[in-house]
Amino acid sequence: DVKVTQSSRYLVKRTGEKVFLECVQDMDHENMFWYRQDPGLGLRLIYFSYDVKMKEKGDIPEGYSVSREKKERFSLILESASTNQTSMYLCASSPSSGLGSYNSPLHFGNGTRLTVT
Amino acid sequence: TQLLEQSPQFLSIQEGENLTVYCNSSSVFSSLQWYRQEPGEGPVLLVTVVTGGEVKKLKRLTFQFGDARKDSSLHITAAQPGDTGLYLCAAAFAGGTSYGKLTFGQGTILTVHP
Repeated sequence: DVKVTQSSRYLVKRTGEKVFLECVQDMDHENMFWYRQDPGLGLRLIYFSYDVKMKEKGDIPEGYSVSREKKERFSLILESASTNQTSMYLCASSPSSGLGSYNSPLHFGNGTRLTVT
Repeated sequence: TQLLEQSPQFLSIQEGENLTVYCNSSSVFSSLQWYRQEPGEGPVLLVTVVTGGEVKKLKRLTFQFGDARKDSSLHITAAQPGDTGLYLCAAAFAGGTSYGKLTFGQGTILTVHP
């Protein structure tokens, strides 16, 4: 079974702090994703990566950055945490399926619930 | 940003009832996936549909993909309390580069009462 592990289940940070969320997958997947999940809004894509050192902005990248130095690890960074970044953060991975179409499932971690006070 | 509209947002039903969840867009999907999420866990894939008009069954769950590939539905027959959870549709939109990027609907919170 694919395993996607997020380093923390719960985090409480203060406004202005720099926050690191870590994600590791063990199935050699090329693609990795960071989503945030808020009630009534579903999952919204923050950033994704299709290869080591490669990254693409998702739909809501403002206030976030990412790092992918190794294939199995994808980090989400909140440069200066704000209260509107309080949310559930979900990491996911998937194998590469080429351009223009996509059928492979996303494999999700169990999420990190971040509270910024 | 392409939008995926999912409805209803909430469903509260009695055990044994049937229900349908809908997922719609004005854009064509190259494929659509349905996920289920339980509290404290990440979403887990239920099914992927890729062909217009396709129907897939998973025990009491029936998934349909519209002929024009702009809509999909999830129908549950004789719902059970174990079906309780958050159901999410997710689409890969046709055209362009995706690298596996999916757009998610808002989700449907289903509660099945014994």
